[in-house]
Amino acid sequence: AQKVTQAQTEISVVEKEDVTLDCVYETRDTTYYLFWYKQPPSGELVFLIRRNSFDEQNEISGRYSWNFQKSTSSFNFTITASQVVDSAVYFCALSDPPSNTGKLIFGQGTTLQVKP
Amino acid sequence: SAVISQKPSRDICQRGTSLTIQCQVDSQVTMMFWYRQQPGQSLTLIATANQGSEATYESGFVIDKFPISRPNLTFSTLTVSNMSPEDSSIYLCSAIPQGLAGTTDTQYFGPGTRLTVL
Repeated sequence: AQKVTQAQTEISVVEKEDVTLDCVYETRDTTYYLFWYKQPPSGELVFLIRRNSFDEQNEISGRYSWNFQKSTSSFNFTITASQVVDSAVYFCALSDPPSNTGKLIFGQGTTLQVKP
Repeated sequence: SAVISQKPSRDICQRGTSLTIQCQVDSQVTMMFWYRQQPGQSLTLIATANQGSEATYESGFVIDKFPISRPNLTFSTLTVSNMSPEDSSIYLCSAIPQGLAGTTDTQYFGPGTRLTVL
C-alpha cells in the first residue's frame, strides 16, 4: 500500500534560520509523482512542487529547495533563511499514476512556526 | 494552472440540516475531487466527481451522506447531508487541468469551505 510519512508534527524556528521538513514515502510503483503543498492559516492549499520518480535532480526555487532520494524513499524540503510568512502547515503527497485515478495520498503534515 | 473558487467560504449550520458547497474552476479540467480536512488533521479524499455520471466514493464515504454533482467540466457541488458536529471540517475542492499529460499532473485546490455544525 502507498503511504506518506511526515514524522515532524511541529517545528519552531527563529526567523532567518534554515529548516528542513522531512517526507518519507512508500510505494511499489516504479512510476509516481511527489508533491509539496503549503497550507497557510487561511486554509487554501498552495502547490509548491511536483517531482516525478525518474527525475532525482534536486530543485531550487528561491529560498526553497527539495532533495529527492529514491534510495531512501525521501523527498525533503528545505527553507533557507526562513521568514515569518513561511509559517504554515506543509503537506507532502504521493500520486498513484498506475491506477490512473489522479488520487493523492497525503502525509499528516508538518506545522512550521517561524518566530520573529 | 487552474484557479478554483468555492462557495460558501464558511458556514455555521444546525444539526440535522444539509449544506451544499459549490466549486467553480476557471478552465476545463479533466478531474475534480472533494476532500475533507478535520480539525488538525490531514486531507482525506471523499470522492472523485465524474462529469455526467455518479461520483466515485472512497471507503467510508457514501452517496447518501455526501451527494456530489458535476454537470460540466468546470463546476461541481458537494452536499453534506443530515449534518452532525462530527462533520465540522474544512471541505476542499481540487482539480487537474485539462490538456496536460495524464492524471499525474498537478492537482490544484480551492480555498476550502470551513463548516461548523452545532
